[in-house]
Amino acid sequence: AQKVTQAQTEISVVEKEDVTLDCVYETRDTTYYLFWYKQPPSGELVFLIRRNSFDEQNEISGRYSWNFQKSTSSFNFTITASQVVDSAVYFCALSEGTSYDKVIFGPGTSLSVIP
Amino acid sequence: GAVVSQHPSWVICKSGTSVKIECRSLDFQATTMFWYRQFPKQSLMLMATSNEGSKATYEQGVEKDKFLINHASLTLSTLTVTSAHPEDSSFYICSTGQVPGEVYNSPLHFGNGTRLTVT
Repeated sequence: AQKVTQAQTEISVVEKEDVTLDCVYETRDTTYYLFWYKQPPSGELVFLIRRNSFDEQNEISGRYSWNFQKSTSSFNFTITASQVVDSAVYFCALSEGTSYDKVIFGPGTSLSVIP
Repeated sequence: GAVVSQHPSWVICKSGTSVKIECRSLDFQATTMFWYRQFPKQSLMLMATSNEGSKATYEQGVEKDKFLINHASLTLSTLTVTSAHPEDSSFYICSTGQVPGEVYNSPLHFGNGTRLTVT
């Protein structure tokens, strides 16, 4: 069965600090997709990244970066120089190749960036 | 622009009444849609997979007679919460999955959600 674990329930950082959100996943499929979504207090889901299981290259997008390591089944997300607007709940999610748009979400990490 | 339109964004209803939530795919046909539910401070849990022209597939523990799903057209799926009770108060969000023709690393599209409060 597929599963996503985000061990950090809540994180607080001071503005401009770097912060890493952890994500560990479980799947028996060799083809799968990993996602990160941001959910601000307004509730909508904001897409951040999608990565397939065959692409282990790390990704950087502005202040955001992702570290995908199949050996440890992890897909961690780092925010550099955090800002107050980064305060939100962040979800790591997984979908498997046989039903690639059926997404299983992790429990989420609530990030608070304090000015 | 928005790929998925979900309506209403919020609704308050009295216990015992039914509420219908609509999820529309804009500018493309969605043969499959997904419905999620999110209780306060919790994650999104998949409720059911809505299939155009056939019965929905419900996840374990979701009452199909209470949460009626209709996917009568390729652009519209509806979720009806029947005989709503306060414990059904939640955030409901739909997804159309990947838009045909988009590259593999494109986002899966979600509606903006419906916040249901049952009094």
